[in-house]
Amino acid sequence: GQQLNQSPQSMFIQEGEDVSMNCTSSSIFNTWLWYKQDPGEGPVLLIALYKAGELTSNGRLTAQFGITRKDSFLNISASIPSDVGIYFCAGLRNAGNMLTFGGGTRLMVKP
Amino acid sequence: EPEVTQTPSHQVTQMGQEVILRCVPISNHLYFYWYRQILGQKVEFLVSFYNNEISEKSEIFDDQFSVERPDGSNFTLKIRSTKLEDSAMYFCASSGGLGETQYFGPGTRLLVL
Repeated sequence: GQQLNQSPQSMFIQEGEDVSMNCTSSSIFNTWLWYKQDPGEGPVLLIALYKAGELTSNGRLTAQFGITRKDSFLNISASIPSDVGIYFCAGLRNAGNMLTFGGGTRLMVKP
Repeated sequence: EPEVTQTPSHQVTQMGQEVILRCVPISNHLYFYWYRQILGQKVEFLVSFYNNEISEKSEIFDDQFSVERPDGSNFTLKIRSTKLEDSAMYFCASSGGLGETQYFGPGTRLLVL
C-alpha cells in the first residue's frame, strides 16, 4: 500500500528555534496536507498544497509541495511553547478521497 | 467557523457489544469519512461516503463495520460486535468535494474491555 515516511519522529527544541520536518513517498500524491494534533483531539489543518513546486505560508509556518510530487516539507520559524504537538503530513491521490497519513513528528518546545 | 462535531467524546463498551459513533459533518459538505487512530500510531483511513453510498473503503473496514447517513445532518459508524483491537480514537471528517481538504472532528475515544 501507499506509505508516507515522515521524519524526524520527534524533536525537542528551544523556544525561538526554527523547525523543519518532511515527508517522502515512493508514490505520487496530488495534494499534500499538513495537520497538527493536540493530545486527545482531532487533526487540525495547517496548510494545504495543491500544485507541484507550490510554496505556501501560514503565519510562521511554511510548507512546500515537492516538484516530483513525492515529498513535502514543513518549516516552523521562531517556535513558541504552543507549537507543541504532533504534526502529520497527509497525501491525497487523484483517484479517490483516501488520505494517507505519515507517522507524525512529535514536537516539544522548551521555554 | 463551521466545524465537524462528534458524539460521544468517550465510549467504553464490552467486547462483543455493538457501538454507534455519531458525527455531524460541516453542513454544505458532500463527502464524509471515518478514520481511526490506535493509541500512539498514525491515523488510518476506514471509509469514504458520498451520495448515500460508500465510495472507498480500506482493508480495516470489514463486515463488522457499517456507515449510514440516517438524515440530512448525521453520519454514523456502527461496529457490530466490538473486539479488543477496535479500541482507538475514531475521527469523522468531511470535505466539500472530491480531492478537497478534509476537516476533522475532535474524535470519539472507544475503549473495548
